[in-house]
Amino acid sequence: DAGVIQSPRHEVTEMGQEVTLRCKPISGHDYLFWYRQTMMRGLELLIYFNNNVPIDDSGMPEDRFSAKMPNASFSTLKIQPSEPRDSAVYFCASRLSGRFSGANVLTFGAGSRLTVL
Amino acid sequence: GQQLNQSPQSMFIQEGEDVSMNCTSSSIFNTWLWYKQDPGEGPVLLIALYKAGELTSNGRLTAQFGITRKDSFLNISASIPSDVGIYFCAGLPGTASKLTFGTGTRLQVTL
Repeated sequence: DAGVIQSPRHEVTEMGQEVTLRCKPISGHDYLFWYRQTMMRGLELLIYFNNNVPIDDSGMPEDRFSAKMPNASFSTLKIQPSEPRDSAVYFCASRLSGRFSGANVLTFGAGSRLTVL
Repeated sequence: GQQLNQSPQSMFIQEGEDVSMNCTSSSIFNTWLWYKQDPGEGPVLLIALYKAGELTSNGRLTAQFGITRKDSFLNISASIPSDVGIYFCAGLPGTASKLTFGTGTRLQVTL
């Protein structure tokens, strides 16, 4: 398996523009998570899905952020309009739930580094 | 909400030295995970712990699940330059679906 695939790896945009980050989880995983990482706040959970259904979006900063998971192999995180304070590295991660060894372990993608000017 | 206190925040050590870091929680966890993050990459799992008292090794790394279920420790023996990075602990309480992450320990290794 190629692991969790994120795109783009780097995005530089101007304030007010729409940003869409994409994620392909590991095939068969039933949970997908979106995290944001900054020096000041560390790793923050934004939202997570179970079987494509959003379960907890309490970490989404504000209405400018939205996430979708139209099918088991694809998710998007959208910021509209973007602001300089949104600059961060955004990680997607997936896992398979269960009670077996290795269950519940998050596998992260390489991240999307967003810079909003 | 639950919080994980990870210490130390940063460490500067010489190659060959042993390293210890730990995480403590205000509540019980049923799973402890240790991740390492290299610059420009996502966190990568080092060790997973599932039982109180469990001691697990992965090469030069050894991690322990505290018997109180409220703490975990990671040791790195004979550090080498490629050990440089940020180490995160993470805990999963019971049947909850969200991992709680520590704030990270930034490790620098000098020659």
